[in-house]
Amino acid sequence: AAGVIQSPRHLIKEKRETATLKCYPIPRHDTVYWYQQGPGQDPQFLISFYEKMQSDKGSIPDRFSAQQFSDYHSELNMSSLELGDSALYFCASSSGGTGPYEQYFGPGTRLTVT
Amino acid sequence: AQTVTQSQPEMSVQEAETVTLSCTYDTSENNYYLFWYKQPPSRQMILVIRQEAYKQQNATENRFSVNFQKAAKSFSLKISDSQLGDTAMYFCAFIHLEGGGADGLTFGKGTHLIIQP
Repeated sequence: AAGVIQSPRHLIKEKRETATLKCYPIPRHDTVYWYQQGPGQDPQFLISFYEKMQSDKGSIPDRFSAQQFSDYHSELNMSSLELGDSALYFCASSSGGTGPYEQYFGPGTRLTVT
Repeated sequence: AQTVTQSQPEMSVQEAETVTLSCTYDTSENNYYLFWYKQPPSRQMILVIRQEAYKQQNATENRFSVNFQKAAKSFSLKISDSQLGDTAMYFCAFIHLEGGGADGLTFGKGTHLIIQP
C-alpha cells in the first residue's frame, strides 16, 4: 500500500538559513499533520491542515509556516534556522474529515542545523 | 489541555514472554481516541492499535491488545508472545475529536521496550 512520502530525507543547513520540507499524503487522505521530534523526545505537534485549510495549531514557532496545496501535498517552511531546530520532522496523513482519524506517519526528514 | 503519562521509561523481557506497558491520560472531554505507536531504531512511527473512547470493548490486533479503563483514564498495551522485532520505543497517544478530526496527537514520553533473546 502507498505510504506517506517525505522529501528530502536528510537536510543540512546553517544557522539563519531557510529550509523547505515536503510531504505527500497517502492517496485519498485529506488531512496532513506536521510533528517535530528532538533527540530522545516524543513527537511534538506543530500544525495540521484539512482540505487545504489550517485546522489545528500546536507549538509551531513563528519562524515556521506551512500550507497544503490543491493536490493535498504540504510544505513546511522554516526560516532563520537555529541550532535547536535540529530534529526529525514527521508528516502524517489521515482521513480527517470523516474518520477513523488514524494518522499514518512518513519516514521523516532529519534536519541538522550547523 | 490533555496530558499523557507513561510511567515506565524502560522495560526488558525475554522473548516469548508477555509484557504490559502502562499509559494514563488526563482529559475533561468525552469524545476522543487513544493509540499506541511503535518507533523502532529506524525511527519510523508505526501505528500499533487504536481505541475509540465510546467503545467499551478493548481493541485487539493479533498479539497486541489493550486494557482500556475509561473511568480510571488508563490505556495499557499488552504484547503477547513477544518477539525480537518488538524491540522499540512505544508511545501512547491521545486525540480529541470535537470540531472535526484534524487535531494533533498528544504523545506520552514513551517506554523503551527491549526483548532479550
